[in-house]
Parts: sequence; C-alpha cells; structure tokens
Amino acid sequence: GAGVSQTPSNKVTEKGKYVELRCDPISGHTALYWYRQSLGQGPEFLIYFQGTGAADDSGLPNDRFFAVRPEGSVSTLKIQRTERGDSAVYLCASSTRDRETQYFGPGTRLLVL
Amino acid sequence: GNSVTQMEGPVTLSEEAFLTINCTYTATGYPSLFWYVQYPGEGLQLLLKATKADDKGSNKGFEATYRKETTSFHLEKGSVQVSDSAVYFCALSRSGGGADGLTFGKGTHLIIQP
Repeated sequence: GAGVSQTPSNKVTEKGKYVELRCDPISGHTALYWYRQSLGQGPEFLIYFQGTGAADDSGLPNDRFFAVRPEGSVSTLKIQRTERGDSAVYLCASSTRDRETQYFGPGTRLLVL
Repeated sequence: GNSVTQMEGPVTLSEEAFLTINCTYTATGYPSLFWYVQYPGEGLQLLLKATKADDKGSNKGFEATYRKETTSFHLEKGSVQVSDSAVYFCALSRSGGGADGLTFGKGTHLIIQP
C-alpha cells in the first residue's frame, strides 16, 4: 500500500517568509510525528499527534513553529518568519494505534535563503 | 534528558567482513531501542527493535541485544554486502513502547567495498 507522503519534496524560501509543509500518513494510522533533520545529524523530534490533538509538542523549538491535524489524517507543519537556521529536512512519520513502529516519509528539504 | 551516542563514521569495510556499530544510551525509565537505516535516496526504515532488557532484535542478518547493564544496543552483522551501504541510526523511545517521539543518534555512514 501507499506509504507516508510529504509535499513538497523541496522548498526554497526567503528569510522572513511563511511556509507550510504537508504530510499524508498511511491510511488508518492514528499517530503522526514530525521531526527535523539537520545536515550530519539524526532526526530531532518536534511534535506528536494522536488523532486530531497534539499529544506532545515539547520538541517545537519556538512559537514560530506550529502544526495542525484538523481531521486526524493529513497534517501541516507551519513555520512563520523563517530563519536561515530553519533550513533542514523535515520528516513525517505515522504509526498505528499501538504505536509500535513509526513509518517515515521521504521528507521535505527546506532551504531558507 | 534522553540521549543516544553512536560511533562516528564513515565506517568502511570490505564485503563479507564482520560489522559492529556501537550505540549507547542515556534514558530514564525503560525505553524501547531501535535501529533505523537510510539507504541512498530513500527514507528512514526500521531495521530492528527491542522493547526490554536482554531482548534481541534481528532482521536481514543484522542483530542487536538490549543490554541494560551497559546501556548499549550495538548493531552486528556477520557478513556484510555492498547493498548494506547506508546510514544507520540508533534511537530510543521517549517513553516505553515507542509511543512518543524517538531520540536519535547522529547516524553512522557505512560503506561496503566489493
């Protein structure tokens, strides 16, 4: 079946602009996670949704970052007033209700100029 | 807080060599432990996992044993192939069962030469 998909695959923006990154989880997966991976580093946890609600947003670096999942399926990660330090690959993962295994998407590569 | 430390790469081996990639962790409670692999041009994939002390995870000839006494989860394979060339990430769950977000190591780039 289809895996986790993320769009766009690449996004180039200018400092100060607003961006939205989309994640489409595996059908039926209730848990959804966002991570950020900087060059040469492992993924860093940002936020976790169970259904429509954010169960844990302790990884969001500051209030410029926000994520929603209004219908419990697709999620959007929103970044306001982007900074060059936000440049990274943003990964999305989903899992079933038992949350045993996370399945990752291909990521969105964000470059802030 | 939780953290994962894994050996720096790149690690370069010849085909059929024995592989060990070291991973140690710091965590409160009893986390689950994972190895993820990222092949060139592909997304992260779960390679194996262990959910409690002394459990051994295994997949595709790779093995790792959850050692609570040494807080380690070293990845091993008896005979590597060129197709095993990838970046390997050790990770732990922020709480038991992999329920929350994962804490990852920095990754180890493995290069297998024919």
